[in-house]
Amino acid sequence: GENVEQHPSTLSVQEGDSAVIKCTYSDSASNYFPWYKQELGKGPQLIIDIRSNVGEKKDQRIAVTLNKTAKHFSLHITETQPEDSAVYFCAASRMDSSYKLIFGSGTRLLVRP
Amino acid sequence: KAGVTQTPRYLIKTRGQQVTLSCSPISGHRSVSWYQQTPGQGLQFLFEYFSETQRNKGNFPGRFSGRQFSNSRSEMNVSTLELGDSALYLCASSPGTARQETQYFGPGTRLLVL
Repeated sequence: GENVEQHPSTLSVQEGDSAVIKCTYSDSASNYFPWYKQELGKGPQLIIDIRSNVGEKKDQRIAVTLNKTAKHFSLHITETQPEDSAVYFCAASRMDSSYKLIFGSGTRLLVRP
Repeated sequence: KAGVTQTPRYLIKTRGQQVTLSCSPISGHRSVSWYQQTPGQGLQFLFEYFSETQRNKGNFPGRFSGRQFSNSRSEMNVSTLELGDSALYLCASSPGTARQETQYFGPGTRLLVL
C-alpha cells in the first residue's frame, strides 16, 4: 500500500548549522514529492516540491533531492535560523490521484539560537 | 488574494452528535481536499472535490462525507461522532485543472469530541 516514512521525528540543531530530513516512499508510481512546514496553530505551508523527472531542486537555503531507484527523498536546510523551527512534513502522490497526498509522520525541527 | 478559510476554528461536540465543517477555497480554485490530522495517525487524506464531484477518496468510514457547492466552497460532515474523531481537520485548495498542483492549506478546524 501507500506509505511514506520520515526520519528523524525530532531534530535539534544550532543556529547556522544544516538540517537534513529523510523520507522513503513505498509506491513506485509516486512521482510528486512536496515538503510542507507547519507552525503552531497554522496549516501546513508548501516550502518546496520536486517531480520525479528531476533529481535535485534548490530554493535559497532549501534544497530537495530525489533518488527514484532507492525511493527516497530528502530535505536540506542550510544556515538554519530560529524561525526555521517548526514541524516539517514530506508527502508523495501519484499522477493518477495527484490530489491525494500521502504524508510522512513529521519532523519537529528546533533551531537553538 | 485571500487564503483558504475554514469555519469554525474550534468545535466541541459529544459522542453520537454530528458536525459540519466549512471550507472556502482561494478565489478561482476549484479543487478542495480534506485531511484529518491527529498525533497518532498524522495527516490522512479524507477526500477531494472538484466541480461539485468527489474525485478522490481516502480510507475513512462512511460517517465521513463531504460536498462541494457551485461556488467551490466545500463542507464535510461527520455523523455519529466518536472520541477518536477528535482531530484537526484541514482543507486545502488548488486550481484543480492540472496534475500535481500545489495544495494550499487553511488553518484547520480543531474538533474535540467528549
